[in-house]
Formats: sequence, structure tokens, C-alpha cells
Amino acid sequence: AQSVTQLGSHVSVSEGALVLLRCNYSSSVPPYLFWYVQYPNQGLQLLLKYTSAATLVKGINGFEAEFKKSETSFHLTKPSAHMSDAAEYFCAVSFSNAGKSTFGDGTTLTVKP
Amino acid sequence: DAGVTQSPTHLIKTRGQQVTLRCSPKSGHDTVSWYQQALGQGPQFIFQYYEEEERQRGNFPDRFSGHQFPNYSSELNVNALLLGDSALYLCASSSGGTASDFGPGTRLTVT
Repeated sequence: AQSVTQLGSHVSVSEGALVLLRCNYSSSVPPYLFWYVQYPNQGLQLLLKYTSAATLVKGINGFEAEFKKSETSFHLTKPSAHMSDAAEYFCAVSFSNAGKSTFGDGTTLTVKP
Repeated sequence: DAGVTQSPTHLIKTRGQQVTLRCSPKSGHDTVSWYQQALGQGPQFIFQYYEEEERQRGNFPDRFSGHQFPNYSSELNVNALLLGDSALYLCASSSGGTASDFGPGTRLTVT
């Protein structure tokens, strides 16, 4: 079985501040991990994915995430928040690079001017 | 190059009715996955189609069925609609791998 827990349903940061969105996973096999962003009234956009290569994964829009097996975590970070980063963020885990993904409940990121 | 497209954008149905949602994958993609996203929750996997066959299925009742056509487009059918089926239905496509491109979704409201 696999599951994802996103700690903090709402995160608020000031523009220019560090963004840290937390994700912990549970998987009985080495996981594939993903972060997606969803803007209002839109579908999901893939930010980045971990597929057992480098543990530090760089994605689009300046986001990156680090896979930490000992902590079963895959937290998403961005050094400097921009107003356009305000959105819903979802972490997901999969058994493989194909097929079913299990999503967390999401974290709403608010960026204050 | 069009991405994943879905139709219709919005739909209102009555309990007990049947609904069909449609999805066209991104050009070059052959695998289509469907997800249900209830308000305030993350998407839940319904099923995935590859080579016109259902390859994987999530924990959804048989009222949910699908189809994939030779051109890789797909339909999601839901029979005997319940109020709890109200959600955003997302289609995602990929080239064999986990869904990488999502469509804008179809907002289904069951009254």
C-alpha cells in the first residue's frame, strides 16, 4: 500500500521568502514521487518527479525537492516566493513510473506582498 | 501543439442519470488515466487505459467504466449517478509512464 501525507493544508509566506511544502510518504517498495501544482479552475501541472536517480530533483519555476529515504520525505522548496506561486500543491507517490498515483490532500500556498 | 483536452467543461445531471466525459490526450501520448477530485481533496485514481484496454483500476465501483479508442482518446462513463459523484474529473495522458499532462477537467454536479 502507498499513502501520502502533506503537513499543513495552508502555508502563507511573504514575497521573496523561502517556500517549504512538506510531504511524507509511505510505500512498501521504492517509490516514485511527484509534485504537481494546480491553479484555480485548471488541471494539474507536473513540477518535478523523483524516479530513483539523483535525490535532489530540480523542477520548473525554480522549485526543487529532496528525497530523504530515512525520513520518508519529499519536501518541496523554492528559495524566493513569487506572487505567481500562489496555488494548490499536491504531492503524489507511485509504485512505478507508470500507472496509478496516490495523491495527498494538497497544500494551499498564499504569497503575501 | 494542443495539450490534453476534455469535454464538456461543466455538466449538471440528476441523480440516477448517466454521464459520459471525453478526453483527448496530448499529441504523442498513448496512455490515458482518469482521476476524480472532490472539493478540497487530492485527485483519486479511477482507472488507466493503454492499447484500448483497462490496465489498472482504483477503488471505484463498476458504475464507473471507460473506453479508449484507436486514436488514444478516451471516455469515462458513470451510471446511476449519486450526489457523491459530484467532483472535478481529470484526465491525464502520458507516453507509457505516470500521468504527466493533465487536462483542465470536467466539473460534474449531481443534483
